[in-house]
Amino acid sequence: TQLLEQSPQFLSIQEGENLTVYCNSSSVFSSLQWYRQEPGEGPVLLVTVVTGGEVKKLKRLTFQFGDARKDSSLHITAAQPGDTGLYLCAGVRTGTYKYIFGTGTRLKVLA
Amino acid sequence: DTAVSQTPKYLVTQMGNDKSIKCEQNLGHDTMYWYKQDSKKFLKIMFSYNNKELIINETVPNRFSPKSPDKAHLNLHINSLELGDSAVYFCASSQDWRGGKNIQYFGAGTRLSVL
Repeated sequence: TQLLEQSPQFLSIQEGENLTVYCNSSSVFSSLQWYRQEPGEGPVLLVTVVTGGEVKKLKRLTFQFGDARKDSSLHITAAQPGDTGLYLCAGVRTGTYKYIFGTGTRLKVLA
Repeated sequence: DTAVSQTPKYLVTQMGNDKSIKCEQNLGHDTMYWYKQDSKKFLKIMFSYNNKELIINETVPNRFSPKSPDKAHLNLHINSLELGDSAVYFCASSQDWRGGKNIQYFGAGTRLSVL
């Protein structure tokens, strides 16, 4: 049983479409991060959310932390081929200092 | 100038061999990590060191032995390699060990293939 489940697992869309990736858990997290990983590289941090209900925007990417701090979503508007990659959420459970990574979402944006 | 560098990038070896992966960070961070990413891209923490001291050890077989000669280096030695050890191993570092708002910087990974 994975603590952080991401959905969908795979997503293939056309350039210009919108999409949302979800990261869900039954545990409460003190913070949640989103990373993007490209082939042959390590994950790169996109954003950190720490407050329940928090919304952060990074250009065409919108990140939300659930009110109960058990889930998060990543919304991409007008996807571009450069958004292609593996998206990983990662959280630190309340009372711990260890990062737990989600199951990952592989996104492919077709030109 | 790479922030977190690990070597080698690829490692192909036979079952039963012993191998090491090296990691260095030039960010001045106190905390370093080793992660294993399996074929399904699931990333799982193995070890964490803060200022040369082990702070996280995630039920990893004792064939895996991390060593931190100083806070800028964290090496991973693996004895008696098994087929199931095949994976991509990532080194990472962060300012300190308290998680949360810390940014982890990852190396480019070492793809280990055990034949």
